[in-house]
Amino acid sequence: DPKIIQKPKYLVAVTGSEKILICEQYLGHNAMYWYRQSAKKPLEFMFSYSYQKLMDNQTASSRFQPQSSKKNHLDLQITALKPDDSATYFCASSQDRGYSDYTFGSGTRLLVI
Amino acid sequence: DAKTTQPDSMESTEGETVHLPCSHATISGNEYIYWYRQVPLQGPEYVTHGLQQNTTNSMAFLAIASDRKSSTLILTHVSLRDAAVYHCILRVEGRGGSNYKLTFGKGTLLTVTP
Repeated sequence: DPKIIQKPKYLVAVTGSEKILICEQYLGHNAMYWYRQSAKKPLEFMFSYSYQKLMDNQTASSRFQPQSSKKNHLDLQITALKPDDSATYFCASSQDRGYSDYTFGSGTRLLVI
Repeated sequence: DAKTTQPDSMESTEGETVHLPCSHATISGNEYIYWYRQVPLQGPEYVTHGLQQNTTNSMAFLAIASDRKSSTLILTHVSLRDAAVYHCILRVEGRGGSNYKLTFGKGTLLTVTP
């Protein structure tokens, strides 16, 4: 069974629309993250949350808004979509303690046309 | 953030031992060395990490230089499933803020041939 569930796996959106990427983890972790990977580029850190509180935001645009309704959920709302937003978005989680490795989900592949 | 330098690519044959180097000349005393790997269409997978001593687990052996300015990830008896991009990442161990962040570079693309 997958330990981090990301939905949907694939998403095609029209420029200017709004989408929500879903992430749920069943590892009992209390820290969650979003990363983005554009074609042939390294993963780029976006957000980190710990106990449902925002810890770090490296995303310049306010069009990207994380939403944590439950401890094991961290969804990503993207508004006014642009073609440049096309990428694979990875959710990850870890324990919030001194040492902890990350577990990543399999990603949501977003194409904005 | 401290930086790491890795070769863009390396090649190996099934059954061989592979040494993946990483240079981190400006590493700070409180920075751990993490290794992750990523195959196409999947998220990164944790491989191992270390601070000063060499470490080993079921996936790999991590050799850390005594001055900590470089490290080598050693994969023994590689198989086709080990083909991936391997990332060497420095991370401050602690809670809060940017301590959580993993900064990925291009990594080393390991190709394994039958």
